[in-house]
Amino acid sequence: EAAVTQSPRNKVAVTGGKVTLSCNQTNNHNNMYWYRQDTGHGLRLIHYSYGAGSTEKGDIPDGYKASRPSQENFSLILELATPSQTSVYFCASGDRVLWEQYFGPGTRLTVL
Amino acid sequence: QEKVQQSPESLIVPEGAMSSLNCTFSNSASQSIWWYQQHPGKGPEALISIFSNGNKKEGRLTVYLNRASLHVSLHIRDSQPSDSAVYLCAVSPGVSNYNVLYFGSGTKLTVEP
Repeated sequence: EAAVTQSPRNKVAVTGGKVTLSCNQTNNHNNMYWYRQDTGHGLRLIHYSYGAGSTEKGDIPDGYKASRPSQENFSLILELATPSQTSVYFCASGDRVLWEQYFGPGTRLTVL
Repeated sequence: QEKVQQSPESLIVPEGAMSSLNCTFSNSASQSIWWYQQHPGKGPEALISIFSNGNKKEGRLTVYLNRASLHVSLHIRDSQPSDSAVYLCAVSPGVSNYNVLYFGSGTKLTVEP
């Protein structure tokens, strides 16, 4: 079974609306990450967490919030969505010892 | 912030040929370098990592790391059509235990039958 799952897989939102992207992992990893992927930019880190209750800003946190209520769940929140946030979003979990990150299947978000 | 650049952007090779992908990074003290494979519509998947200067071989994959020149390369021997994907180079600065990765923009590999 997939160890990192994301929901929804596709989302269309309106400008100014609130969007919540959810991620669940069964790897029992402490670290979790949110990235966005755009053509020509590769994967860029938005927020990450090293355990329940913690969130840290990545390289492009503006316009995004994150929440880590438990070891398994990590959410990305767009309070006021803008068209520039149209992208594919990936969640990942990571092991502190082996350092490998395991990615979910992605969420395609379109903001109209 | 680590800068990671990959070349070429796109590579087309015939089946059975060697595929060679390149990556440069900005910090010689970076802890580890990873190569990820990403098929269309899927999340990236780790292929191979290297921590020390030199080379590492796993099956048809060989990675070469030269910290002095800030360069790492991935070579795929006997390339197959199933190897067609985007390959992402990722570098970890290894700060604390957050295991943050900085990714390049990728090389799109196409292996023609």
